[in-house]
Amino acid sequence: AQRVTQPEKLLSVFKGAPVELKCNYSYSGSPELFWYVQYSRQRLQLLLRHISRESIKGFTADLNKGETSFHLKKPFAQEEDSAMYYCALSGGSYIPTFGRGTSLIVHP
Amino acid sequence: GAGVSQTPSNKVTEKGKYVELRCDPISGHTALYWYRQSLGQGPEFLIYFQGTGAADDSGLPNDRFFAVRPEGSVSTLKIQRTERGDSAVYLCASSLELYNEQFFGPGTRLTVL
Repeated sequence: AQRVTQPEKLLSVFKGAPVELKCNYSYSGSPELFWYVQYSRQRLQLLLRHISRESIKGFTADLNKGETSFHLKKPFAQEEDSAMYYCALSGGSYIPTFGRGTSLIVHP
Repeated sequence: GAGVSQTPSNKVTEKGKYVELRCDPISGHTALYWYRQSLGQGPEFLIYFQGTGAADDSGLPNDRFFAVRPEGSVSTLKIQRTERGDSAVYLCASSLELYNEQFFGPGTRLTVL
């Protein structure tokens, strides 16, 4: 069975502060990890996937197999980063299992 | 170009009624997925189609739920004898192929009174 845990329902920071959205997973095989984002009144969209190893909108995420984590980080938060963030895991089937999401609020 | 569209955007029904939710995927996308998102939770997989056939329906909660994609494009999720617990946002997504990025629709908010 595969499972994704996002321990924080809400993360509140000030503009310019560093951000780390936590994600831990449970999967016996070799996982593929994703971060999805949903801005207010917009649809869910892919932010980044670990195999791409790229930075999107200043966000990065590193897969740590030892700690089974895939935390999302940004060194300086912007107000436009305020959104709902979902971590997701795909096993062999490529059907993602989503975490419950973390609401990020960036205050001016 | 047009993204994934879903109709209706909102549906209110009474317990025991039958509902149909429609999804129009991005043109040319062969894979289509249905998810259910309950309040305070992430999307939960229901079923996915590759072409016209349901390649994986393991997420459907029970036999009241059924989905079709007869021509390999538009899909309809059908829920019989609705229950209050079926209230959720139903999301549809499509991708070029199974292993490609999924593009989500805006969802249909179903409320069962």
